Amino acid sequence: DTEVTQTPKHLVMGMTNKKSLKCEQHMGHRAMYWYKQKAKKPPELMFVYSYEKLSINESVPSRFSPECPNSSLLNLHLHALQPEDSALYLCASGRTGSGIGETQYFGPGTRLLVL
Amino acid sequence: EDQVTQSPEALRLQEGESSSLNCSYTVSGLRGLFWYRQDPGKGPEFLFTLYSAGEEKEKERLKATLTKKESFLHITAPKPEDSATYLCALNAGGTSYGKLTFGQGTILTVHP
Repeated sequence: DTEVTQTPKHLVMGMTNKKSLKCEQHMGHRAMYWYKQKAKKPPELMFVYSYEKLSINESVPSRFSPECPNSSLLNLHLHALQPEDSALYLCASGRTGSGIGETQYFGPGTRLLVL
Repeated sequence: EDQVTQSPEALRLQEGESSSLNCSYTVSGLRGLFWYRQDPGKGPEFLFTLYSAGEEKEKERLKATLTKKESFLHITAPKPEDSATYLCALNAGGTSYGKLTFGQGTILTVHP
């Protein structure tokens, strides 16, 4: 089973709101990723967690705050977003903590609209 | 800098008309090349991982191959349900941990 789940499926928020995206996997994977995907573009990496520790932050603005409470859960806290942050937010997981040459399995995504 | 280029950008086929999608790359030390299928508004669905030149993998109507400079995704006798965007991505020695470099994708449309 290679299932990654994400909630909610859709989210509409104002620029002053605080919201969170949730990602869950029960495959025992040790690496988890957040990606952002704009329309007609490939996914762009935002954050990588390895063994529940943040290992990569791709210079993401501080209005996006990731959290990895345990090895199965990954959250993305959103605050004071801008309309240009509207996108499909994807979570992915990888089996080992190294990430090297490793297949990443993606969730269905959360479609975010910032008004 | 690692680069991935996919061609064509869009491909229209008739049902049953076989064809190939191309993913050419320049990297410093390939660690893995990945093919994904993505339907509109959904997350990428994993298809294949290739690690070394000469490697081939098959799944139903799809076959992926790898050389030192490019990968092909061959689609045999496609059906309308094969319509999707196909993404090629790679992980290479010149990039940071686990980071995938994606191509721009090929939009495949299969007409009945």
